[in-house]
Amino acid sequence: SQTIHQWPATLVQPVGSPLSLECTVEGTSNPNLYWYRQAAGRGLQLLFYSVGIGQISSEVPQNLSASRPQDRQFILSSKKLLLSDSGFYLCAWSVRGVEKLFFGSGTQLSVL
Amino acid sequence: RKEVEQDPGPFNVPEGATVAFNCTYSNSASQSFFWYRQDCRKEPKLLMSVYSSGNEDGRFTAQLNRASQYISLLIRDSKLSDSATYLCVVRPVGSSASKIIFGSGTRLSIRP
Repeated sequence: SQTIHQWPATLVQPVGSPLSLECTVEGTSNPNLYWYRQAAGRGLQLLFYSVGIGQISSEVPQNLSASRPQDRQFILSSKKLLLSDSGFYLCAWSVRGVEKLFFGSGTQLSVL
Repeated sequence: RKEVEQDPGPFNVPEGATVAFNCTYSNSASQSFFWYRQDCRKEPKLLMSVYSSGNEDGRFTAQLNRASQYISLLIRDSKLSDSATYLCVVRPVGSSASKIIFGSGTRLSIRP
């Protein structure tokens, strides 16, 4: 069966520090991969999605970047975090051509 | 205009009541629609797909109105456990077909 792993679950970082969140999927090949962010009490904002290795679509200009070095690995990064980067970050995957999303358990990021 | 819009609520209804909320979308060519449920500080989970002819799953009924570009979710005989945020999801067509957009969510609170 397919599983998605996202870590860490909680992260507290100072302003200006770097960020790296990792997400891996098991049990499937060629998944579409997604990073979403959710601010407190708000909806999910699509940040990046990827349909293949090295193929990244960015939805919102911001302080973040994403990479997909391997088929089932999706990384969210920042060189210098801002206060506004705080939020709940969710990684998700879907089978290509099928729209159902399966989410990781999320990372609660607090930038102080 | 946002691609997907929802009434944020909160909807506060007594146990046993029927409650319904809508979600509007801006792209008339959108093909796929879903409702997700999200509990506080957890990842969203698929509740049900929305089919053109409407579909039902137990106490939940989803409908699509293409002419007016909205989808709806009806919950009958609401339970305390139905308290959550309900997110509608729309998938565009064409080159952006992998871009899955979430509404901002509607908060539902069921009171005893």
